[in-house]
Amino acid sequence: QVQLQESGPGLVKPSETLSLTCAVSGYSINNDNWWSWVRQSPGKGLEWIGEIHHSGSTNYNPALKSRVNILVDRSKNQFSLKLSSVTAADTAVYYCVRNGNACLDVWGKGTTVTVSS
Amino acid sequence: ESVLTQSPGTLSVSPGERATLYCRASQSVSRWDLAWYQQKAGQAPRLLMYAVSIRATGIPDRFSGSGSGTDFTLTIHRLEPEDSAVYYCQQYGTPPLYTFGQGTRLDIK
Repeated sequence: QVQLQESGPGLVKPSETLSLTCAVSGYSINNDNWWSWVRQSPGKGLEWIGEIHHSGSTNYNPALKSRVNILVDRSKNQFSLKLSSVTAADTAVYYCVRNGNACLDVWGKGTTVTVSS
Repeated sequence: ESVLTQSPGTLSVSPGERATLYCRASQSVSRWDLAWYQQKAGQAPRLLMYAVSIRATGIPDRFSGSGSGTDFTLTIHRLEPEDSAVYYCQQYGTPPLYTFGQGTRLDIK
């Protein structure tokens, strides 16, 4: 059974870089899926951040593209998110997700990230 | 960017009855590109339906989806208390690849 688990700091200072990792278990990240990051904040609802394929190809939300970098580590069966120059508006629950057919079919439990000094 | 508008914002229905949730897109959506999610309090969203009307693994047949073009519907029959949640529609397409509606809160009174 595929499971995804987010990890990373729960508190990030303004202007710094948010870094999260998603460990995938029960399923190879090398299978032909894309893998996404989605965040949820009270103010903006669910927001797709971007996706990565095990080949390293990526697609990003244009609204965040200048600050986002998603990487894959095939040897560790995990992928990661880096979001730079964070502000309070980046405070949210961050989910890592497996992409299905034009949908997001398996979600991690989510991790709360607060941006505050 | 196509915008999804869900209605109503909140719906209160009795157990055993039927709930109908709506999702309207500002641009036409392929039937392969429309999905629904259920999010219970304190949990991650869970995929319910994809390609408008295909139930995800483990989803009971009380849940059904329909629609085409810009108007889509999620119907939940024989409501149970455990169906209390926020429901989101999602479309796949032009960047950003995935966009979501604002959600409908379903209360089972």
